[in-house]
Amino acid sequence: DVKVTQSSRYLVKRTGEKVFLECVQDMDHENMFWYRQDPGLGLRLIYFSYDVKMKEKGDIPEGYSVSREKKERFSLILESASTNQTSMYLCASSFSEGRGPKETQYFGPGTRLLVL
Amino acid sequence: AQSVAQPEDQVNVAEGNPLTVKCTYSVSGNPYLFWYVQYPNRGLQFLLKYITGDNLVKGSYGFEAEFNKSQTSFHLKKPSALVSDSALYFCAVRSRDTGGFKTIFGAGTRLFVKA
Repeated sequence: DVKVTQSSRYLVKRTGEKVFLECVQDMDHENMFWYRQDPGLGLRLIYFSYDVKMKEKGDIPEGYSVSREKKERFSLILESASTNQTSMYLCASSFSEGRGPKETQYFGPGTRLLVL
Repeated sequence: AQSVAQPEDQVNVAEGNPLTVKCTYSVSGNPYLFWYVQYPNRGLQFLLKYITGDNLVKGSYGFEAEFNKSQTSFHLKKPSALVSDSALYFCAVRSRDTGGFKTIFGAGTRLFVKA
């Protein structure tokens, strides 16, 4: 079974702090994704990566950055946390299948971040 | 612009009754359609997907979905609901956009199954 793990289930941070969210997958997936989930808005893509050291902006990258130094690990960084970044953050991974469209994404359990 | 709509925020069903969770989409080209389920305090789990072929797709936990091209819909169905089916359900569509392939998720529909 595919396993996607996230470093924390719950985090509480203060405004202005730098926040690191870690995601690790154990299935040698090429693609990794970071989403945020907010009620009524569904999932919105922040960043994704289709290879080591590669990254692409998603729909809402502002205020976030990412790092993919190893294939199995994809980190989301909030450079200076703000209250509007309070959310559930979901990491996902998938095979590339030749970078085609058929990929099924496998999700981690999520990190619920509260910024005070 | 590509979009996915789940018109119902919440669906209530009695255990043993059939259930339907609706999804419609608007994309250019041929879409690839997915359903995911999220149980409380968990990440999303893949249920089923439509790529091509038979319009009726069968997935995990007894769920199925019907692709209707003319109505641009991909409704999730189950003949007999269980209390354990209560969860948040997300429809997603993947299609080619200007920057490559892109997956868009609907806002989610919360399903309550009462005993």
